[in-house]
Amino acid sequence: DAKTTQPNSMESNEEEPVHLPCNHSTISGTDYIHWYRQLPSQGPEYVIHGLTSNVNNRMASLAIAEDRKSSTLILHRATLRDAAVYYCILRDDNAGNMLTFGGGTRLMVKP
Amino acid sequence: GAVVSQHPSWVICKSGTSVKIECRSLDFQATTMFWYRQFPKQSLMLMATSNEGSKATYEQGVEKDKFLINHASLTLSTLTVTSAHPEDSSFYICSAMRAASSYEQYFGPGTRLTVT
Repeated sequence: DAKTTQPNSMESNEEEPVHLPCNHSTISGTDYIHWYRQLPSQGPEYVIHGLTSNVNNRMASLAIAEDRKSSTLILHRATLRDAAVYYCILRDDNAGNMLTFGGGTRLMVKP
Repeated sequence: GAVVSQHPSWVICKSGTSVKIECRSLDFQATTMFWYRQFPKQSLMLMATSNEGSKATYEQGVEKDKFLINHASLTLSTLTVTSAHPEDSSFYICSAMRAASSYEQYFGPGTRLTVT
């Protein structure tokens, strides 16, 4: 599996935008970039995913570098409820639907 | 959205006993379910992939005779931890997918197992 690298932790102020980076320099052409987040003592939840183009949904935006070697999850206005561990995961479309979770980024949101 | 439940949400058992954890997709049929284990302060580790009506596929290092997985219907998968030991204490999380062509995994809330 192609691996991802994320900062261990980040801090943000409430109501400010948050940019969570992810490096995936060994990404292959069939790898989709998925983001999940896990709130304390809960199972993960899907946030967003993309292949080449930037993506927006009600939760977040995903900005993918032109060479696809990195991506950034953007939370437009962080709330206290966004405090979670955010996982950037590469899913090989040719290898089924398995997700391999890395260390993730623990986002702390300050009021 | 799709809802996945797990039962029980937490369980304490004695060493040497077996524990069964259920994972249900409440409002959709799940062709594939996954089981993960998460130790404190660590990430999720995939244990096995379960397809309805067939044997589960276990990840390397996961003992299939210790962690029995049954995916008997399109809405239910069970994980049985047999002869549990304290080192099996962990947070067990399942996820489900609507269909093979789907991309999103829907996760359950997790089951915290403590073996004394």
